[in-house]
Amino acid sequence: DTAVSQTPKYLVTQMGNDKSIKCEQNLGHDTMYWYKQDSKKFLKIMFSYNNKELIINETVPNRFSPKSPDKAHLNLHINSLELGDSAVYFCASSQAPGLNYGYTFGSGTRLTVV
Amino acid sequence: DAKTTQPPSMDCAEGRAANLPCNHSTISGNEYVYWYRQIHSQGPQYIIHGLKNNETNEMASLIITEDRKSSTLILPHATLRDTAVYYCIVRVLSGANNLFFGTGTRLTVIP
Repeated sequence: DTAVSQTPKYLVTQMGNDKSIKCEQNLGHDTMYWYKQDSKKFLKIMFSYNNKELIINETVPNRFSPKSPDKAHLNLHINSLELGDSAVYFCASSQAPGLNYGYTFGSGTRLTVV
Repeated sequence: DAKTTQPPSMDCAEGRAANLPCNHSTISGNEYVYWYRQIHSQGPQYIIHGLKNNETNEMASLIITEDRKSSTLILPHATLRDTAVYYCIVRVLSGANNLFFGTGTRLTVIP
């Protein structure tokens, strides 16, 4: 009964490939997020969706495209992967937008681009 | 966002209260104190947050000093599963939702 599940947990791929990371939450939350964590323990927000609508779209390359088929799912598709895309990507959800609602994070996807 | 200072590590006996301090002397009036933890190879887990009043939920209590320059996270009865790195974050409620975890405190609960 995992609250926020993301797959795969590990992803190793070559430069130039296209890959997707899937995220699902069973908490009934309205808002979902994608974060990128670099090695300095900094979680940088990438996207946020509220009830399937995009509400935050930070400055990320156009190669990153989120898709929310319904409010329980937020997938991340990455085109033409580059070495700098290597990081841990976290999906999260909250009852409503904003940090005053505690986020529930997935366990992360460690992406390694070689 | 205000900078925070936490001890790098702490030990706590199982069943005892774990008190984790955080200094945030440059906190401004509209900044909240958030606590998260991260167990190895898992995602961050929200624990609690507050502005100036003490807060309690099913996981922990948060004590914020009157001048708001420091706070303490209290796990009332630590278990082995509470072994994790605990992060104190100070930031405004609105704005970009980036999270800077800093170095945190590695809490080890000892049987």
